[in-house]
Amino acid sequence: DAKTTQPPSMDCAEGRAANLPCNHSTISGNEYVYWYRQIHSQGPQYIIHGLKNNETNEMASLIITEDRKSSTLILPHATLRDTAVYYCIVRVPNHGTASKLTFGTGTRLQVTL
Amino acid sequence: DSGVTQTPKHLITATGQRVTLRCSPRSGDLSVYWYQQSLDQGLQFLIQYYNGEERAKGNILERFSAQQFPDLHSELNLSSLELGDSALYFCASSPLSGVWGTEAFFGQGTRLTVV
Repeated sequence: DAKTTQPPSMDCAEGRAANLPCNHSTISGNEYVYWYRQIHSQGPQYIIHGLKNNETNEMASLIITEDRKSSTLILPHATLRDTAVYYCIVRVPNHGTASKLTFGTGTRLQVTL
Repeated sequence: DSGVTQTPKHLITATGQRVTLRCSPRSGDLSVYWYQQSLDQGLQFLIQYYNGEERAKGNILERFSAQQFPDLHSELNLSSLELGDSALYFCASSPLSGVWGTEAFFGQGTRLTVV
């Protein structure tokens, strides 16, 4: 799996857009970018994923650069409940080969009043 | 509610003991994954089962074992427990055979404390 790099922490004011970057410069052509988040000690929650086109759902938008070496998760109107650790994972979906899957340390997003 | 049920929610036990953590996947999901998260650490993948068979193995200690039963629920067995085994243990399920898919749903975890 391609390695990802995320800033350890970010702050965002409530109501503003939160833009969380992720570098994945060694991504291969068939690897997707996934985002999950973990609100304090709860189970991780799937947010969004994409291959090369920008994606949007009810939770967030995912912007992937044209060269696919980086991406940005956008929470358009952050609320206090969005305070969590956000994980960027690069992976081939449905990849059957056994491999070690380890979440990175992610970005701890703190949304403040 | 993700639909994945883990029991118990909390477990306190002594060193050297053995415990069993249980996971009921979402209805119809064939894959079950187990993860360990120590205090302030990232999620470490332990093992995956698909329709009763082991599919992928991560950093799982020899003292740990898992299985998936015909009704698709899974159990993670931890033996000869050490203080360092204290952690949150998460189970996730997916309908897909691959190690990751979009439909990976996590339970709320079992917090194991070894004293």
